[in-house]
Amino acid sequence: GAGVSQSPRYKVAKRGQDVALRCDPISGHVSLFWYQQALGQGPEFLTYFQNEAQLDKSGLPSDRFFAERPEGSVSTLKIQRTQQEDSAVYLCASSLYRAGGWGIQYFGAGTRLSVL
Amino acid sequence: SQQGEEDPQALSIQEGENATMNCSYKTSINNLQWYRQNSGRGLVHLILIRSNEREKHSGRLRVTLDTSKKSSSLLITASRAADTASYFCATDREYGNKLVFGAGTILRVKS
Repeated sequence: GAGVSQSPRYKVAKRGQDVALRCDPISGHVSLFWYQQALGQGPEFLTYFQNEAQLDKSGLPSDRFFAERPEGSVSTLKIQRTQQEDSAVYLCASSLYRAGGWGIQYFGAGTRLSVL
Repeated sequence: SQQGEEDPQALSIQEGENATMNCSYKTSINNLQWYRQNSGRGLVHLILIRSNEREKHSGRLRVTLDTSKKSSSLLITASRAADTASYFCATDREYGNKLVFGAGTILRVKS
């Protein structure tokens, strides 16, 4: 596609529910990133894939957060047993270059998660 | 936690005026980038400056980088109402390219 696509755009979950957020990166982009953006703040890094390999998951806040990119294209961020503090916008970005390069990242519109 | 800090946190100017935003960061960097975010949207890349560059221009944008002070500035000249958005600086470390963002500057351009 022309840009990074994320779905759903909005998700409301009851506390304790599991959610799955999808990211479709730009075709051919090697790198894929997930960020979490709290209201009024800048995005914070969650995890990074190079093709299907998850090379950095240092930003995942707890073991309730899990991400995968099994075929090196579409990625899913899963949050188990959601809690109110998980409420945020989850942004996906893709980049043509590998880690260590000069990657300009192209962002999707994000998924706004509200946990009630 | 975020590395960068932008100032001011919010800026309100008249159309046609220039807007200057500043960013400071804490560690050594590979690149510094500026992104714009319109309300409810994703981030859009504006300009990238490498650590060995001091100034860069792109259209109405001018970015400076001072690695000795670990700071950067973004100047938008002849601002337009459509420039109203949040602006973030983001850095990547030498060994990887995950981005570390500041808290952003909210720019409002009044017509």
